[in-house]
Amino acid sequence: AQSVAQPEDQVNVAEGNPLTVKCTYSVSGNPYLFWYVQYPNRGLQFLLKYITGDNLVKGSYGFEAEFNKSQTSFHLKKPSALVSDSALYFCAVSSDYGQNFVFGPGTRLSVLP
Amino acid sequence: KAGVTQTPRYLIKTRGQQVTLSCSPISGHRSVSWYQQTPGQGLQFLFEYFSETQRNKGNFPGRFSGRQFSNSRSEMNVSTLELGDSALYLCASGSPGLASNEQYFGPGTRLTVT
Repeated sequence: AQSVAQPEDQVNVAEGNPLTVKCTYSVSGNPYLFWYVQYPNRGLQFLLKYITGDNLVKGSYGFEAEFNKSQTSFHLKKPSALVSDSALYFCAVSSDYGQNFVFGPGTRLSVLP
Repeated sequence: KAGVTQTPRYLIKTRGQQVTLSCSPISGHRSVSWYQQTPGQGLQFLFEYFSETQRNKGNFPGRFSGRQFSNSRSEMNVSTLELGDSALYLCASGSPGLASNEQYFGPGTRLTVT
């Protein structure tokens, strides 16, 4: 069965500092990995995905994520955080077995001015 | 291109009633998935429809059902509502419904059961 772990409920970072939101996964078959962001009272917005190819994936709003197959991780990163990045971030996985998306529990990111 | 729309945005029902939520996917998308989001359980997958057929189903009781129409619009129904059904219900569409494709989410329907 597929599963996603986001080990941190909350991440605090100062504006201008780099940020990392962690994600590890377990899946049968080749993983398809996604990051979504949710702002208050809104649906989820797609940030980026890894399907195949380069391990470093660049996405929206300056975010990027690094796929590490040996560590089964897909951490989200941004070189310089903005206060407007404060939101709830979800990592998700599906696989080429055709299984549906499984979302992690979410990590709340707070960027402090 | 218009995004995923969900109606209604907010709903208040009492225990025992039933409710129907609607989702219109992005034009051309044939896959629609439904999720329940609660503070305690996070995002939980309900079911996915593709070309009017339920393709996958999560671990929810039979009170939760859905359907998809020929224009890809989808409805979700919850019968005999319980207090624990209070949640944000999110709909997502994708094309052509492959596991490798990202899903696009609607704003959600916030259901409150009293």
